[in-house]
Amino acid sequence: DQQVKQNSPSLSVQEGRISILNCDYTNSMFDYFLWYKKYPAEGPTFLISISSIKDKNEDGRFTVFLNKSAKHLSLHIVPSQPGDSAVYFCAASKWGAQKLVFGQGTRLTINP
Amino acid sequence: GAGVSQSPSNKVTEKGKDVELRCDPISGHTALYWYRQSLGQGLEFLIYFQGNSAPDKSGLPSDRFSAERTGGSVSTLTIQRTQQEDSAVYLCASRTTRGFTGELFFGEGSRLTVL
Repeated sequence: DQQVKQNSPSLSVQEGRISILNCDYTNSMFDYFLWYKKYPAEGPTFLISISSIKDKNEDGRFTVFLNKSAKHLSLHIVPSQPGDSAVYFCAASKWGAQKLVFGQGTRLTINP
Repeated sequence: GAGVSQSPSNKVTEKGKDVELRCDPISGHTALYWYRQSLGQGLEFLIYFQGNSAPDKSGLPSDRFSAERTGGSVSTLTIQRTQQEDSAVYLCASRTTRGFTGELFFGEGSRLTVL
């Protein structure tokens, strides 16, 4: 049972344009969501998070949007830069719970 | 070092052998996790340690997998009688429980290849 799904295994975007990565979840108990970024041969690193009391959280070029009714969140990167090329994982949890449930990841490639 | 340290970074073993993977969490982090990433898959939760509490082993795929955490710090994940489907990158992560935000700090992983 895949509780967190990233249906696009890969995405290619031109440098300077907007990158939009999508994530869906099925467990309505989840109320805290995170995005992690992973470069090859490195561990994932935290990027941005959002709690269910908000529908948007922004940090520089990165914005996460949450649509609770659709059980959907997205990560927007504007403008996209070559250094953004990585695998992005969506993760979800219930606030105060101990485990994060991760999606399968989306490989983002930014083309010059 | 300041980050989560894992060893070995790469391990190639023959089917049926036992392997041990080690994790040194960030100093002061009381919570420690093991995840694994199989080829083309997401991060799969394996086990979670928190202080002196009983570990959450709900993600261990079989009884060939076990883990311990000694002295509330270093953790060892042991896989007995390895199978080819155990091939994956095994990731360790730690976090502080104070002001929990869900942010886990990951090590670089141990890539296990079972021939």
